[in-house]
Amino acid sequence: GENVEQHPSTLSVQEGDSAVIKCTYSDSASNYFPWYKQELGKRPQLIIDIRSNVGEKKDQRIAVTLNKTAKHFSLHITETQPEDSAVYFCAASDGYGQNFVFGPGTRLSVLP
Amino acid sequence: KAGVTQTPRYLIKTRGQQVTLSCSPISGHRSVSWYQQTPGQGLQFLFEYFSETQRNKGNFPGRFSGRQFSNSRSEMNVSTLELGDSALYLCASSPGRNVEQFFGPGTRLTVL
Repeated sequence: GENVEQHPSTLSVQEGDSAVIKCTYSDSASNYFPWYKQELGKRPQLIIDIRSNVGEKKDQRIAVTLNKTAKHFSLHITETQPEDSAVYFCAASDGYGQNFVFGPGTRLSVLP
Repeated sequence: KAGVTQTPRYLIKTRGQQVTLSCSPISGHRSVSWYQQTPGQGLQFLFEYFSETQRNKGNFPGRFSGRQFSNSRSEMNVSTLELGDSALYLCASSPGRNVEQFFGPGTRLTVL
């Protein structure tokens, strides 16, 4: 089955700096890769997603890149703000159902 | 549209008891997935239901079961509770495959 690894597990950056979180997956059949943000005590919420036919997607300060050959995808947050502090989860789905496999999460702290 | 709702929000049980959790998806969403979230294990996929049929199942023991009703509402049951079942149980609904999942607030289960 699919296995998703995520690094780093914790990340601290200064406000205004960029943050990068990387994930790798094992199943070459996976074709949908969402990223979720979970603030303390709240539910996970989708922030951006990418499909396997696209190499990069950007939404304001957030971007995701996908390298299908290497089977890894990354989340990039630019000009970080304190409200970006949260746990971020990457996930991979095989396209045959809703069997999302999540990475273990990255706790991002943006220091003022 | 109203978001995904889960009841109850908090639950305290003792070892050996059983528990039933409920999830009401967003209107029109036919897919409901369940996840167990613990600090050490992240988001672990339990199962997914679509149109009253279990479509996918994660690697959890048979003590964990679920069902979905004709109105797409879903229930999850855990029998013979163990201390290790203490976790936040999240359900998520979506309108189809490989699209955004919308999470509910979760049910926090504590097993004493």
